[in-house]
Amino acid sequence: DSGVTQTPKHLITATGQRVTLRCSPRSGDLSVYWYQQSLDQGLQFLIQYYNGEERAKGNILERFSAQQFPDLHSELNLSSLELGDSALYFCASSPLGGGFNGYTFGSGTRLTVV
Amino acid sequence: DAKTTQPTSMDCAEGRAANLPCNHSTISGNEYVYWYRQIHSQGPQYIIHGLKNNETNEMASLIITEDRKSSTLILPHATLRDTAVYYCIVRVGGSGTYKYIFGTGTRLKVLA
Repeated sequence: DSGVTQTPKHLITATGQRVTLRCSPRSGDLSVYWYQQSLDQGLQFLIQYYNGEERAKGNILERFSAQQFPDLHSELNLSSLELGDSALYFCASSPLGGGFNGYTFGSGTRLTVV
Repeated sequence: DAKTTQPTSMDCAEGRAANLPCNHSTISGNEYVYWYRQIHSQGPQYIIHGLKNNETNEMASLIITEDRKSSTLILPHATLRDTAVYYCIVRVGGSGTYKYIFGTGTRLKVLA
């Protein structure tokens, strides 16, 4: 157990729907990062939050949004889902914004869009 | 885009050292090199990082060339459990906005 908790572990939904993925960072970590891993794209950085504020953005689609709450958990919202959104979504956390000793990743949420 | 290039795959005999190379010829002076590995579809696991000097921890050693344009991750005595995809990453960004750009990694297979 890495200390980063992601729920749900698996999610199956239909095209056009909206889902919310949840991440609880490791205790004491202020930064949360979201990554998407699909078969043909590898690990893609989506977005970073630090203590409730958005800090960095990667290849995140406009249909996707995220937020970090006062208790530091984060949610990634995916809407108008398409078949191509099927992927593993990982959350990672680090103590500050730098992640000097590396990020700690969760075990991921596997999203299947049918 | 990833700032690193790695071989797509490598094999290593169990018990032998696994040497995984990485090229990062465009690295800037203050950018660190990080290594992670991903076993099957689990979350990536941090292994080691370095700036200029060689580093060693309980998992691996990292050798960075003097010009910092390449590095090698060494697993001294590879076991079957070390079979994974190994990612060499250059951490980019500034204070508070660091991020890792993952490349395609090296698929290491440890053979019995």
